[in-house]
Amino acid sequence: AQKITQTQPGMFVQEKEAVTLDCTYDTSDQSYGLFWYKQPSSGEMIFLIYQGSYDEQNATEGRYSLNFQKARKSANLVISASQLGDSAMYFCAMRSLYNFNKFYFGSGTKLNVKP
Amino acid sequence: DTAVSQTPKYLVTQMGNDKSIKCEQNLGHDTMYWYKQDSKKFLKIMFSYNNKELIINETVPNRFSPKSPDKAHLNLHINSLELGDSAVYFCASSQEGLVQETQYFGPGTRLLVL
Repeated sequence: AQKITQTQPGMFVQEKEAVTLDCTYDTSDQSYGLFWYKQPSSGEMIFLIYQGSYDEQNATEGRYSLNFQKARKSANLVISASQLGDSAMYFCAMRSLYNFNKFYFGSGTKLNVKP
Repeated sequence: DTAVSQTPKYLVTQMGNDKSIKCEQNLGHDTMYWYKQDSKKFLKIMFSYNNKELIINETVPNRFSPKSPDKAHLNLHINSLELGDSAVYFCASSQEGLVQETQYFGPGTRLLVL
């Protein structure tokens, strides 16, 4: 069975500091992808970053990077130089090649950036 | 151009009514989804369609009926609305074929059942 776990329901970070949002996953599939989405208070879901199970390098997209530790089955999102606009819910999700049409979502982490 | 659009954005209705939410994507994707996000922000998949064919039907009451007239549209009809149906409903789409293809979400429809 596929499962995504986000153990931090809420987090605070000071503006301009870095923050790590945790995500662990469970799958017996060998080929899968991990995604992070941001949901600001306005409600839309915004795709941030992707990591493939066979990717050897950690994914980066601007201030977002993914700390992928395959053996530990973790895919933590790192946001560098936090900005007030980063305050939002963040969701980790997984999709596997063998259950292709289903995305599994974690319960989300609410990030608050303090000025 | 909006990639995935939903109408209406807000829906306030009485218990027992029937309502529909429409979704359209102009990305040329093969697969479309409906999700329900509850008050605790938990996202739950309800349905998935691939090229107009239902491929995922999670344990959703049969008061919920999706309809896909073509691969660019996936509508959600809800009969006999209940208080517990109050939530945000998201439509999403993704491309077939590659696991790295992300989902693109619509703006959500906020349903409030009184």
